[in-house]
Order: sequence, then structure tokens, then C-alpha cells
Amino acid sequence: EAQVTQNPRYLITVTGKKLTVTCSQNMNHEYMSWYRQDPGLGLRQIYYSMNVEVTDKGDVPEGYKVSRKEKRNFPLILESPSPNQTSLYFCASSPRQGFNYGYTFGSGTRLTVV
Amino acid sequence: KQEVTQIPAALSVPEGENLVLNCSFTDSAIYNLQWFRQDPGKGLTSLLLIQSSQREQTSGRLNASLDKSSGRSTLYIAASQPGDSATYLCAVIHFNKFYFGSGTKLNVKP
Repeated sequence: EAQVTQNPRYLITVTGKKLTVTCSQNMNHEYMSWYRQDPGLGLRQIYYSMNVEVTDKGDVPEGYKVSRKEKRNFPLILESPSPNQTSLYFCASSPRQGFNYGYTFGSGTRLTVV
Repeated sequence: KQEVTQIPAALSVPEGENLVLNCSFTDSAIYNLQWFRQDPGKGLTSLLLIQSSQREQTSGRLNASLDKSSGRSTLYIAASQPGDSATYLCAVIHFNKFYFGSGTKLNVKP
């Protein structure tokens, strides 16, 4: 089944403890992106990747890192999480960006930083 | 900067009604527009994708239209059902980024 898989689905952590949220897609998509969703603020883009080894900042990149060493994987890294990073996170992929293709989303990761 | 607005923010209707959800965007230079459904605490499920050269797309009871010149899209849901209750989000691709609206929360009462 074609899908975007995120892990974990739920995570509670403490301030400052490094964590990684994994994202993997099996559709050979070139474009991948991370979003966070907060009440009243909607979905905001954190980082995106046009292809392997090509990443760029979205609207809210502060406090996050990403890497794209393989086409299928696009992990989101929080080096020193803070409570304001408590949110619902989504990974998404698309065959290519900006060429009349839509997005496929993962099921989300609910992160709580205490 | 592209801004996407969805009106209304919430909508409650009795089962069986036909309804329209609205999405507007400020810059008409978009590649496509996509409508999503989100159930509480869940991911986004793609409903319809309208490419910039198209005027509308249909899937079952759903019909989405796109008017780039006026910066508007509508999602029409025919014969609504309680199972349609969810938040509906529209998103536009503008240059190299997706821009999302804040969504319309739909409640269909039995």
C-alpha cells in the first residue's frame, strides 16, 4: 500500500532531551515536507526537501533539523526540545513539487514536551 | 505572501443537506489546489486535487470548483451524512510551497 509512515504516533518527552521523529514513504516521491499543526495557527511548514541531500527551511524552522540521505526517509530532529514545540506533527510527500501533484500525508505524531 | 482563508470556521447542518465550503487565496499564481479531510487527532486524507488548468473535480458526493482569477474554490457536499463530520482543509501550491487554510469544522447531525 502506498503510504507515508511516521513514528512514533505519540511521544511525551522532557525539555532538552534530543528526539527524532521518523518519516518514510514507499512511493518513490522526490518531495517531502514536515508540518506542525497548532490550534488557531493551522498547518505551518517546518522544513522541506526537493530531493536527496536537498533541504530548505519552511516558515517555522527554528529548533528543528532534518536530513535526507535516502529518497524514502526524511527524519525530523529536535536537538533540545522545548515546551513550545508541543504540537501535532505531519510528514507529507509528493512526486514532485509545484508540478500539479498533490500531497500524501502521514498519520501524524503528537508530541508533548514537559 | 500567499494567504488562504476558509469560511465558515465551523458549520453544523442536519443530515441530508447539501452544503458548500469556501476557500479563498490572495495570489492567483497557483499550480493546484487540494482539498483534505481531517478527523480529530488524525492525519489528512486527500479528497480532491484540482490542477491549475482545471475548473472542477468530482468524486462521489463531492465536487470542488476552482476560479483562479477570483482566488476562490468551493467544495460542494451533496446529501451530507453524519460520517462526513470532520475538518475540511484546502491547500494551494504557490511556487514551491503548500499554503493551508485553517479549515472548516463540519458537524452533520443525525
